[in-house]
Amino acid sequence: ETGVTQSPTHLIKTRGQQVTLRCSSQSGHNTVSWYQQALGQGPQFIFQYYREEENGRGNFPPRFSGLQFPNYSSELNVNALELDDSALYLCASSFSGTDGYTFGSGTRLTVV
Amino acid sequence: AQRVTQPEKLLSVFKGAPVELKCNYSYSGSPELFWYVQYSRQRLQLLLRHISRESIKGFTADLNKGETSFHLKKPFAQEEDSAMYYCALRTTSGTYKYIFGTGTRLKVLA
Repeated sequence: ETGVTQSPTHLIKTRGQQVTLRCSSQSGHNTVSWYQQALGQGPQFIFQYYREEENGRGNFPPRFSGLQFPNYSSELNVNALELDDSALYLCASSFSGTDGYTFGSGTRLTVV
Repeated sequence: AQRVTQPEKLLSVFKGAPVELKCNYSYSGSPELFWYVQYSRQRLQLLLRHISRESIKGFTADLNKGETSFHLKKPFAQEEDSAMYYCALRTTSGTYKYIFGTGTRLKVLA
């Protein structure tokens, strides 16, 4: 399996709930990063994981957290959802993070 | 402040005309710059990065540190170039961050 796959593709949650989004990295990639893309905006960097450790973080509150597993797949968890969290969430993987990323198709999260 | 600015939301050009998509950045160190492209109903994909100095699909981009710019250029636009283009910066010191611009939609008219 090549390429980055994300699940689910769409999700609707209620304000205050928690959500977990999943990502399978491209084969051979050991670095994964997550982005939030609001409508009409560029992707906003949430954080990056390299070999299961967070090694980069954007300006997002601690209720945004993540995990990277030994097989380099990854999760994004968001607690206490707010309406403004509604966005497209993109996962991207790379080998080491310096040579550009391969992006997934994203998960569209709607918070109502 | 670390920032990537793409001043044009929409750029329309005729087929065969030259194209220049502007990107300016603000970063105190030596950044790594990238261009990503998103064709209709497809995922975001890497177009080129400054460090490799390559030409992809006829597009080139030169990093100008004096002007803090990384404009994307193509001498003759094709209809299949119509897409959303994002300029991105990767920080090279301290905590890694990627900063994307807001994107420019390129429309190539027949």
